[in-house]
Amino acid sequence: ETGVTQTPRHLVMGMTNKKSLKCEQHLGHNAMYWYKQSAKKPLELMFVYNFKEQTENNSVPSRFSPECPNSSHLFLHLHTLQPEDSALYLCASSQGTFYEQYFGPGTRLTVT
Amino acid sequence: LAKTTQPISMDSYEGQEVNITCSHNNIATNDYITWYQQFPSQGPRFIIQGYKTKVTNEVASLFIPADRKSSTLSLPRVSLSDTAVYYCLVGDGGNTPLVFGKGTRLSVIA
Repeated sequence: ETGVTQTPRHLVMGMTNKKSLKCEQHLGHNAMYWYKQSAKKPLELMFVYNFKEQTENNSVPSRFSPECPNSSHLFLHLHTLQPEDSALYLCASSQGTFYEQYFGPGTRLTVT
Repeated sequence: LAKTTQPISMDSYEGQEVNITCSHNNIATNDYITWYQQFPSQGPRFIIQGYKTKVTNEVASLFIPADRKSSTLSLPRVSLSDTAVYYCLVGDGGNTPLVFGKGTRLSVIA
């Protein structure tokens, strides 16, 4: 238990669906991140939020839309995804941007 | 960002000491060396971080030579539960994104 929770743990969605991933951290951190991990590929940083403000967007397609209402919660809204978006989506948090990061268990997403 | 190179995979028997070496020839003066561990279908977990010489905690030791162009993560007396992917990252520890490579897949055999 790292203090970072993610829901749901597994999600299957069609290409026309709209769904959201949720991340919550109980560590009092001020920075939160979304990463994508595809099979047999390195982790890819998607978005970074520092004090609720987005500070990084690594050329992520607009079908992924992040939301950070406060320093403890982070959402990833998904719509019209493609099968190649199937992956493990990981949330992380840290005290200070890019310092030691605490990762959640991830959401295993399958797009059919 | 300094690039890192580490072996793709390693095998070890239970009870042995495992050393995983990481090359980072263009490490910058302000860069730290950080290691993460990832079990299947879980997020990475911070193991250890160092700048120079030797750092030890309850999980591992990190050896960094004087030129800092490489580092070695040492896991004492591994068990089956140490089977995981180990990532070596180099960065200034606070201002630049972590860049995860492919890591080293350690398999511990009974």
